Amino acid sequence: EDQVTQSPEALRLQEGESSSLNCSYTVSGLRGLFWYRQDPGKGPEFLFTLYSAGEEKEKERLKATLTKKESFLHITAPKPEDSATYLCAVQAYNFNKFYFGSGTKLNVKP
Amino acid sequence: NAGVTQTPKFRVLKTGQSMTLLCAQDMNHEYMYWYRQDPGMGLRLIHYSVGEGTTAKGEVPDGYNVSRLKKQNFLLGLESAAPSQTSVYFCASKTGSTEAFFGQGTRLTVV
Repeated sequence: EDQVTQSPEALRLQEGESSSLNCSYTVSGLRGLFWYRQDPGKGPEFLFTLYSAGEEKEKERLKATLTKKESFLHITAPKPEDSATYLCAVQAYNFNKFYFGSGTKLNVKP
Repeated sequence: NAGVTQTPKFRVLKTGQSMTLLCAQDMNHEYMYWYRQDPGMGLRLIHYSVGEGTTAKGEVPDGYNVSRLKKQNFLLGLESAAPSQTSVYFCASKTGSTEAFFGQGTRLTVV
């Protein structure tokens, strides 16, 4: 059965303290792995798409990487405005379905 | 430049009442999805559609029905609302293996 698991559920960081969020997946044929950011009361906002193991994408303080079993979202020197819930989603070989993990709630303190 | 629009944004229903949530997209996307989001449970897929006139069940379809009569619209219906359907509902659309675009959500409370 296709599954997406994110860890940790919640993460508190001091401003400038780098860390990583994990997304592990089991899916029969990965078409793509997606990272989203969600602010309270809003819809998810797209960050990155990764399609194959070894691929990396960067945007400002965020860097996403992909292996055959998991993806990491690395946050370098975070700022309070990076506080949000980060969601991971996978698109399976049968690319009609689009599965999400339960998210990691990040809180960056000044 | 609307993207994905959901209506209504908020609604309170009494148990047993029915309602329809509307999702409209102006990007000519083939695929459309309805999710519900509950605290600590991420986004769970209710139903989805791969094109006009087609629908399919997701992870949590019970108690919901959908229709896609026009390519740009995807309707989610609750025939007899229950308190367990209190949630935030999100619609999304995409094409191929590109990213999905989301609406702003509908907050539904069933009392």
